[in-house]
Amino acid sequence: KAGVTQTPRYLIKTRGQQVTLSCSPISGHRSVSWYQQTPGQGLQFLFEYFSETQRNKGNFPGRFSGRQFSNSRSEMNVSTLELGDSALYLCASSLGIGSYEQYFGPGTRLTVT
Amino acid sequence: SQQGEEDPQALSIQEGENATMNCSYKTSINNLQWYRQNSGRGLVHLILIRSNEREKHSGRLRVTLDTSKKSSSLLITASRAADTASYFCATDAASGAGSYQLTFGKGTKLSVIP
Repeated sequence: KAGVTQTPRYLIKTRGQQVTLSCSPISGHRSVSWYQQTPGQGLQFLFEYFSETQRNKGNFPGRFSGRQFSNSRSEMNVSTLELGDSALYLCASSLGIGSYEQYFGPGTRLTVT
Repeated sequence: SQQGEEDPQALSIQEGENATMNCSYKTSINNLQWYRQNSGRGLVHLILIRSNEREKHSGRLRVTLDTSKKSSSLLITASRAADTASYFCATDAASGAGSYQLTFGKGTKLSVIP
């Protein structure tokens, strides 16, 4: 079974721009979660989607948004980028019901200049 | 905010030795998971222990959970150079059956010297 894939793997953006990251979960997984990892704050939960609905949301500003499509693929969007948004963005998929292990993709390294 | 706190922050051992990492958390949990991360890549799920379990084994891994002390430990036996990585504990603090909103600790950086 193919693992979780994330595109792009690396991205460089300028402050004020917006960015969209994509995540394809493991086949059959209906839950997709997003995390931000920085050296200072560590791994922080952004949001989780299940069957196209946001089920959980972390403590991030409204500039961070996401969505999930009917095939369980997910995208997250960050608008009006700030320098502090530079991070590794990780996507994780899970069955979504009764099984809590999460399977992570390789991440997208976002650099904001 | 960080729910789990790993201890130590860094650990260096010789190949073949055992490595023990500890994790403390603040609120009641449904389950606790351990993940491994190699050099800023994606995380790999290692093991999940439920709040009503005290110990769990998987290959060379042994996890214990003490809910009265809100702590867990991960033991890696007979370590190998390939075990060099950062190890994170993650908890879900939601009530009910469980949650996919994981709160991670800052991690323990393990170096296994060949």
